[in-house]
Amino acid sequence: ETGVTQTPRHLVMGMTNKKSLKCEQHLGHNAMYWYKQSAKKPLELMFVYNFKEQTENNSVPSRFSPECPNSSHLFLHLHTLQPEDSALYLCASSHPLASGANVLTFGAGSRLTVL
Amino acid sequence: QKEVEQDPGPLSVPEGAIVSLNCTYSNSAFQYFMWYRQYSRKGPELLMYTYSSGNKEDGRFTAQVDKSSKYISLFIRDSQPSDSATYLCAMIITGGGNKLTFGTGTQLKVEL
Repeated sequence: ETGVTQTPRHLVMGMTNKKSLKCEQHLGHNAMYWYKQSAKKPLELMFVYNFKEQTENNSVPSRFSPECPNSSHLFLHLHTLQPEDSALYLCASSHPLASGANVLTFGAGSRLTVL
Repeated sequence: QKEVEQDPGPLSVPEGAIVSLNCTYSNSAFQYFMWYRQYSRKGPELLMYTYSSGNKEDGRFTAQVDKSSKYISLFIRDSQPSDSATYLCAMIITGGGNKLTFGTGTQLKVEL
């Protein structure tokens, strides 16, 4: 497989469930990201990992818990979510341009519905 | 005021039309300007990026940045039904964590 792969593609869960989203990248990138995409809203950055270390937590509620065991894998653990957490969750990895600016490669996303 | 403003559309054009997609922004520190294309049920993919002001052309696509007006555009010539997607603009302040700030995306439909 190439690129950024996310599983599952679709997930329906109740507010008391615990589930996890998985992301895997085969691009050799050192940075990985979780974004939330809701209708009519800009992409919201949630977490950033560089070389497995979390470098950004964008004031995300603790019901979202990321895990990055190595530079190729990223998880988002979900528990006691709210209906407003229903959204498309996108994973991305990046490589820097010569200037240092990052170019993101996104996965196809995991569509989450919280009942 | 949002940092990046983008009309969500939908924008519907006939095949062959010239499409103009635009974003305005408020932070003059943005240096890199990117356009991502997102097909339905897919993640965004990078289409083009430009640094500072000026134009950049790639096939039927031209990206334009006017930093004095804080305005960026993506032009699509000879639009095709396969161009139907959501187009997201994104911007970076390099050195400031290199975080991308996205617009809401404009949904484009090119009709036969």
